Amino acid sequence: DAKTTQPTSMDCAEGRAANLPCNHSTISGNEYVYWYRQIHSQGPQYIIHGLKNNETNEMASLIITEDRKSSTLILPHATLRDTAVYYCIVNSGYALNFGKGTSLLVTP
Amino acid sequence: DGGITQSPKYLFRKEGQNVTLSCEQNLNHDAMYWYRQDPGQGLRLIYYSQIVNDFQKGDIAEGYSVSREKKESFPLTVTSAQKNPTAFYLCASRDPGRGQETQYFGPGTRLLVL
Repeated sequence: DAKTTQPTSMDCAEGRAANLPCNHSTISGNEYVYWYRQIHSQGPQYIIHGLKNNETNEMASLIITEDRKSSTLILPHATLRDTAVYYCIVNSGYALNFGKGTSLLVTP
Repeated sequence: DGGITQSPKYLFRKEGQNVTLSCEQNLNHDAMYWYRQDPGQGLRLIYYSQIVNDFQKGDIAEGYSVSREKKESFPLTVTSAQKNPTAFYLCASRDPGRGQETQYFGPGTRLLVL
């Protein structure tokens, strides 16, 4: 599976959009990009995934560059409850490889 | 309610003791997983099972054992051979209808060694 690189931490003001970047320059053609988040002391929560096209659901939007070497998770109106560790995962097999993720702090 | 349950929430183990962590799902998912998380770290795969009566080792299987006798259940035993078992243990199951690896996680069990 391809390796991902994410910033260690980010801040975002409540009500503003949170844009979380992820680099996956070694991604192969059949590998999906997944995003999960983990609120402190809870199990991870699935957010969104995509292959080539941009995706949107009730939680977030996923923007994947045309060359698929990077992506951005967008939380359009961040709330305090969005404070969590966000994991970007590239996968083509039967399991997910979680790195350390980005710790997002949403401030009032 | 559909979902994944793990019990207990906290578990204490004495030196040399085997303990079993429970994971049950009523989502009718075929695949189930066990992960370990240490403080400040990501998740590491211990074991996974794609179907009843079949399971595969993950990255850190040494000192752990599993069984998959029923679709709904995937218990994890932490044996005395696991020398550093203190961690947060997470169970997950996979929804095949939402992409290759859309996994749903339980609330976790925190294991502490006395």
